[in-house]
Amino acid sequence: GENVEQHPSTLSVQEGDSAVIKCTYSDSASNYFPWYKQELGKGPQLIIDIRSNVGEKKDQRIAVTLNKTAKHFSLHITETQPEDSAVYFCAAYVGLSGGYNKLIFGAGTRLAVHP
Amino acid sequence: KAGVTQTPRYLIKTRGQQVTLSCSPISGHRSVSWYQQTPGQGLQFLFEYFSETQRNKGNFPGRFSGRQFSNSRSEMNVSTLELGDSALYLCASSSGVDRGTNEQFFGPGTRLTVL
Repeated sequence: GENVEQHPSTLSVQEGDSAVIKCTYSDSASNYFPWYKQELGKGPQLIIDIRSNVGEKKDQRIAVTLNKTAKHFSLHITETQPEDSAVYFCAAYVGLSGGYNKLIFGAGTRLAVHP
Repeated sequence: KAGVTQTPRYLIKTRGQQVTLSCSPISGHRSVSWYQQTPGQGLQFLFEYFSETQRNKGNFPGRFSGRQFSNSRSEMNVSTLELGDSALYLCASSSGVDRGTNEQFFGPGTRLTVL
């Protein structure tokens, strides 16, 4: 069935280190993969996304890579800062009957960046 | 542009009651999706409305319903509340074109507690 698996569930790093979060998806037709950051008491915030026609996308300290053959994609955060501490969710669109799509989310990764 | 707004931010209800939550999408966006977020189940898709029509639906019982108005504002209703309905209810706004594979922007959520 439709599924997005996300690892690790928790990640603790020192300020300045890199953090990597990995996701795998099951629907080979998925073609859009967003990443969200959720801080305490707030809704998820879209931080970066990638479509299936590219293998990598960067935005300052954040990058996402996509391997369509293996059906996995990853979030890379370099030079982490304490304000990067949050829960991060990966997601993928899966097709529904009628031709439309819905977002399926991973279970989330709680990232803690220690000064 | 103003972001996605949700009202109320917090609600406390008792079992058996019903509740209505409201979401105003980003100006110009025609699609509103609703999600339930709980610690145990994560982010789960409830339904999507586009141009006043329900376009997609998740695997929730019929007690969960919604509607969308001509100005794209959306409401969701939960009848006969159960303790397990306690959750953060999030709405997400998107343009809705491209058969649903668009960026979704989330509101802050409504925290519902059922006693």
